[in-house]
Amino acid sequence: QKEVEQNSGPLSVPEGAIASLNCTYSDRGSQSFFWYRQYSGKSPELIMFIYSNGDKEDGRFTAQLNKASQYVSLLIRDSQPSDSATYLCAVNAGGTSYGKLTFGQGTILTVHP
Amino acid sequence: GAVVSQHPSRVICKSGTSVKIECRSLDFQATTMFWYRQFPKQSLMLMATSNEGSKATYEQGVEKDKFLINHASLTLSTLTVTSAHPEDSSFYICSAPRGGPRDEQFFGPGTRLTVL
Repeated sequence: QKEVEQNSGPLSVPEGAIASLNCTYSDRGSQSFFWYRQYSGKSPELIMFIYSNGDKEDGRFTAQLNKASQYVSLLIRDSQPSDSATYLCAVNAGGTSYGKLTFGQGTILTVHP
Repeated sequence: GAVVSQHPSRVICKSGTSVKIECRSLDFQATTMFWYRQFPKQSLMLMATSNEGSKATYEQGVEKDKFLINHASLTLSTLTVTSAHPEDSSFYICSAPRGGPRDEQFFGPGTRLTVL
């Protein structure tokens, strides 16, 4: 069983729509949760991080965390073609695993004009 | 924001040679850095944790004698792929946590290794 699992995708949405990306994790003790965006041939760039249950908003991005359900999501409002990329969910177990991230397999998002 | 650099960005080598990749934190000190490997169309897989002043810790299945890691200073970690073979061809990425309690990590731009 994968430790971090993302909805398989690929996901295609029209420009201006809301893109919803989902992620579940198996380690109930996980402390920190991250969403990275990765363009083809490039390294990941951090979009958002969340530690507490609930929603966290930053511009067009909203991360949602539900630790009881071991679920974290990313919503992208007013999607733009430049948002087309692979989105990686990453989880940090914390404690002695300081800084170690476990990544999901990624979801490819395509925003079409 | 925090910046992590890698050098070289791309390397092509012959089978059997060794390749060194450098990872530097440019505006913060990093006692810990991480090395990941990413094969085409796959996600990032953690290879090892580089620790300043002590030995690196390797993930299960990663050969420590093949992937030598040296954390020479608080801003520099190096990964040496020894006796590289075509199956080692991959995208190698380092990261460094800025050191806050929430472990925000910043990734280097990556090194594309091709072994002929």
